[in-house]
Amino acid sequence: SAVISQKPSRDICQRGTSLTIQCQVDSQVTMMFWYRQQPGQSLTLIATANQGSEATYESGFVIDKFPISRPNLTFSTLTVSNMSPEDSSIYLCSVDPLLLGKGNTEAFFGQGTRLTVV
Amino acid sequence: TQLLEQSPQFLSIQEGENLTVYCNSSSVFSSLQWYRQEPGEGPVLLVTVVTGGEVKKLKRLTFQFGDARKDSSLHITAAQPGDTGLYLCAGGSGNTGKLIFGQGTTLQVKP
Repeated sequence: SAVISQKPSRDICQRGTSLTIQCQVDSQVTMMFWYRQQPGQSLTLIATANQGSEATYESGFVIDKFPISRPNLTFSTLTVSNMSPEDSSIYLCSVDPLLLGKGNTEAFFGQGTRLTVV
Repeated sequence: TQLLEQSPQFLSIQEGENLTVYCNSSSVFSSLQWYRQEPGEGPVLLVTVVTGGEVKKLKRLTFQFGDARKDSSLHITAAQPGDTGLYLCAGGSGNTGKLIFGQGTTLQVKP
């Protein structure tokens, strides 16, 4: 397993501002991911954070809105830019420490960042 | 586009009752995971199933992967209030590490 620390755990932000969420893992992992969980909804993948290169975004998510950094194998940040109330969600970082060509995926999640935009 | 249909989306039962949650897709997944999420926390992995027809048990929870690896079920026997939470199924494909989540099932077990 992996221990994932995410901060802040929650924040209330003004519309038009940006918030950077940090994700720290206690071991080196190849794959890191960012998910969004809107109120009362399930999880939707935003992007894969690639170490040393640009993140890979899923359909409906763009780099200008959700810039991601991955400077090393234990750390990543997600920024929610120019926020609007529609961005109010839980943002979750996850890692898959077992994914090394084994074909299986077992994700471990941080506790999430609950963002409210007012 | 791969989709996972999870049902029911909400379930409220009395302590001691049994229940089954279903996760269905038209796509084949290399693996399927079940997670439980409590308010204010991230999802916690309960089990991973990878082989068609596989059955795994975790105390009162029984997980099954369909023969064709397109569907899965979670059965809870004699539910307890501590089982209350959001249950999520998620499918993995190949080596991408990406997960596709079902809509989730909110379970409430009343004492």
